[in-house]
Amino acid sequence: GAVVSQHPSRVICKSGTSVKIECRSLDFQATTMFWYRQFPKQSLMLMATSNEGSKATYEQGVEKDKFLINHASLTLSTLTVTSAHPEDSSFYICSAGGPQSGEQYFGPGTRLTVT
Amino acid sequence: SQKIEQNSEALNIQEGKTATLTCNYTNYSPAYLQWYRQDPGRGPVFLLLIRENEKEKRKERLKVTFDTTLKQSLFHITASQPADSATYLCALYNQGGKLIFGQGTELSVKP
Repeated sequence: GAVVSQHPSRVICKSGTSVKIECRSLDFQATTMFWYRQFPKQSLMLMATSNEGSKATYEQGVEKDKFLINHASLTLSTLTVTSAHPEDSSFYICSAGGPQSGEQYFGPGTRLTVT
Repeated sequence: SQKIEQNSEALNIQEGKTATLTCNYTNYSPAYLQWYRQDPGRGPVFLLLIRENEKEKRKERLKVTFDTTLKQSLFHITASQPADSATYLCALYNQGGKLIFGQGTELSVKP
């Protein structure tokens, strides 16, 4: 149980275009999901907390107009990187809380490369 | 400032030995601490959670200790196997409801 999927797993896009990444909880409902980014050999950095039916909460330094988050249902959150630039190239990972308090289940990640 | 530090150097051990990874933190009072495994190009996988009132927790070959006085957690893998080779992350759950991760320790188990 507690499986989280992400799509796509890998995407290459041109500078200036937008990319949407989907995060789904497959066998449980998640009122809250989290979006992280991870650069090579570095830790996961929390970008934002996605709340079902309300606005996302962004961490300090994360541009909300650039990283649009929508959590329209209890099983789906999307992250759209708008007007992507090469410096946005990174590994984006989502997570959702599992049935047990405190456990977080992570998606497999999406590798974004902006050329 | 708040910090979570893990062994920055990669840990290389022989198959069958016990691997011990360290996680130290400062200026946090976490409700609980978690350990994750991450393989290259993949998301983290939850391993164990230990609460502030627990000293030790075990799961199969894994053991975690949590010392809130020393502000330290130790993560042990006994009878290690090459398949245990991965990066291991510790994470604190703070009162804001967020997981804050350490930078991870890369473990390599040689046959």
